[in-house]
Amino acid sequence: DAKTTQPNSMESNEEEPVHLPCNHSTISGTDYIHWYRQLPSQGPEYVIHGLTSNVNNRMASLAIAEDRKSSTLILHRATLRDAAVYYCILIARNSGYALNFGKGTSLLVTP
Amino acid sequence: DGGITQSPKYLFRKEGQNVTLSCEQNLNHDAMYWYRQDPGQGLRLIYYSQIVNDFQKGDIAEGYSVSREKKESFPLTVTSAQKNPTAFYLCASSNRPTGGTEAFFGQGTRLTVV
Repeated sequence: DAKTTQPNSMESNEEEPVHLPCNHSTISGTDYIHWYRQLPSQGPEYVIHGLTSNVNNRMASLAIAEDRKSSTLILHRATLRDAAVYYCILIARNSGYALNFGKGTSLLVTP
Repeated sequence: DGGITQSPKYLFRKEGQNVTLSCEQNLNHDAMYWYRQDPGQGLRLIYYSQIVNDFQKGDIAEGYSVSREKKESFPLTVTSAQKNPTAFYLCASSNRPTGGTEAFFGQGTRLTVV
């Protein structure tokens, strides 16, 4: 299964942009890149996903490298409510399209 | 409201007893998943089902069993064979298992075995 690598933790100031990196050098051509986030004692929440092109939605933007071996989740203005663990996940056909979570990046947002 | 419901939120059982966790969705989703989360760790896949009456083992299926008799329901049984059953259990569903759609998660069941 394709794996992802993320920093264990990152810190940001409130109202500043945050760039959360993810490396996935063994990604295959049909793997989707998904991002989820999880607050303590809650289920994960979908953030964004993409395949090849950059994507924007009301929560965030996803920038995908041209070779697809890395991606970056961009939160344009971090708020205290964005403090969570962010997971970068590859969705692959050969694993039944199930989400395989790593340890994610714990984002701390300070006032 | 549409969504995915797990019950109960907290569950206590004595060691050696089987226990079944409920997961129901009214989103008309084809695929459903069960995950386990231990403190400070990411989620690990237990079982998943892409259609009714069919399911596959995930990474840590030993000591667990599931059924998928109805599209909206995917119960998980934690058997006495599971050596460390105390954990946070999460259920998820997605519309079609293609990778291009988002998954929705329940709020989880925290199981404690004493």
